[in-house]
Amino acid sequence: DTGVSQDPRHKITKRGQNVTFRCDPISEHNRLYWYRQTLGQGPEFLTYFQNEAQLEKSRLLSDRFSAERPKGSFSTLEIQRTEQGDSAMYLCASSLLGGDEQYFGPGTRLTVT
Amino acid sequence: GENVEQHPSTLSVQEGDSAVIKCTYSDSASNYFPWYKQELGKRPQLIIDIRSNVGEKKDQRIAVTLNKTAKHFSLHITETQPEDSAVYFCAASTPGKSTFGDGTTLTVKP
Repeated sequence: DTGVSQDPRHKITKRGQNVTFRCDPISEHNRLYWYRQTLGQGPEFLTYFQNEAQLEKSRLLSDRFSAERPKGSFSTLEIQRTEQGDSAMYLCASSLLGGDEQYFGPGTRLTVT
Repeated sequence: GENVEQHPSTLSVQEGDSAVIKCTYSDSASNYFPWYKQELGKRPQLIIDIRSNVGEKKDQRIAVTLNKTAKHFSLHITETQPEDSAVYFCAASTPGKSTFGDGTTLTVKP
């Protein structure tokens, strides 16, 4: 499968714990995006990378959230001290540099109890 | 920042009828407008898109129109089929950032 992949697909954690998600984009895609989606809503932009550089970050992203893409390939999204309000589907997408079409991964569903 | 409004939130049509979903956006810098279909429990899938230098684009039963002056764009699905039932999202994008509408749940009744 040469599409965008995400791991894990599901994560259940207790409030206050830290979680980390991984995204592997389509191999030749330079841009990588993270979104959060809650039930009944559209995906909400969190941040995006061009190669290893994080070029934009939503002001909605609190300091408990951090994302990295150290080698310009896969990316990780970490949430520290999780809260119940963090429960959502976390989607990753990738695109070519200079291309607009974003291809989404299957998402990681986070449940904070 | 960009704000995208999408209407209606739910739409029910008979098989074979047409369906129209409308979106408005606020940021004149947005220059790319994709539409995604999301089935329950699955990832959003791009179904059609339009760039700001084009007014209309068609792909088989699906078409999108864009009015830059009025800042609105629409998705048209003709000859709907039960497999078209899903949630549809519009988005307004600048390079690196997309703002999505809240979705339209389309139900096509056989």
